[in-house]
Amino acid sequence: EDKVVQSPLSLVVHEGDTVTLNCSYEVTNFRSLLWYKQEKKAPTFLFMLTSSGIEKKSGRLSSILDKKELSSILNITATQTGDSAIYLCAVERPGNQFYFGTGTSLTVIP
Amino acid sequence: SAVISQKPSRDICQRGTSLTIQCQVDSQVTMMFWYRQQPGQSLTLIATANQGSEATYESGFVIDKFPISRPNLTFSTLTVSNMSPEDSSIYLCSTKEAGGAETQYFGPGTRLLVL
Repeated sequence: EDKVVQSPLSLVVHEGDTVTLNCSYEVTNFRSLLWYKQEKKAPTFLFMLTSSGIEKKSGRLSSILDKKELSSILNITATQTGDSAIYLCAVERPGNQFYFGTGTSLTVIP
Repeated sequence: SAVISQKPSRDICQRGTSLTIQCQVDSQVTMMFWYRQQPGQSLTLIATANQGSEATYESGFVIDKFPISRPNLTFSTLTVSNMSPEDSSIYLCSTKEAGGAETQYFGPGTRLLVL
């Protein structure tokens, strides 16, 4: 059965800390892995990863995929209170099927 | 990117009743989906809303419980029928364009509480 597992489930850090969120998957016919940030209700897109070892970066956020280990990490450096959210990992299969992990709830304390 | 709106944004309903959630997109989109996010859980795909034909449901979801309409390329509805407290959840409409997975966008969601 296909599954996507994220860790940790929740995390509380202080402003300025660096965090690493993990996503591992067991999905047949993998196409891509996506990271979303969910504040309040609607998830917003962060990154799409298709190739192993190529880091994608956006400001203080970066992510990389390891297809051999079937995993991905999302790094956030110099965290701010505005980074508090649920971070969702999703894996895309053919036919526009997306499997989501349960998310990591990040709380950044001032 | 597509701009998606949902109505209602939230509702409190009595068990045994039904609620219809509307999803409106500001442009014609190829694909529309309905997801559910139960408390403390991740997003689970309910169905793909097909324009002009019956929706395609995922395992564990059936048309009698979650009838879906998609009369055109910009609008869809999801009805949660004969509700029970277990249906309390956030329901999200999503769209995707032809192309990569990064073209998937989510609506603001409808928070439903069933008493």
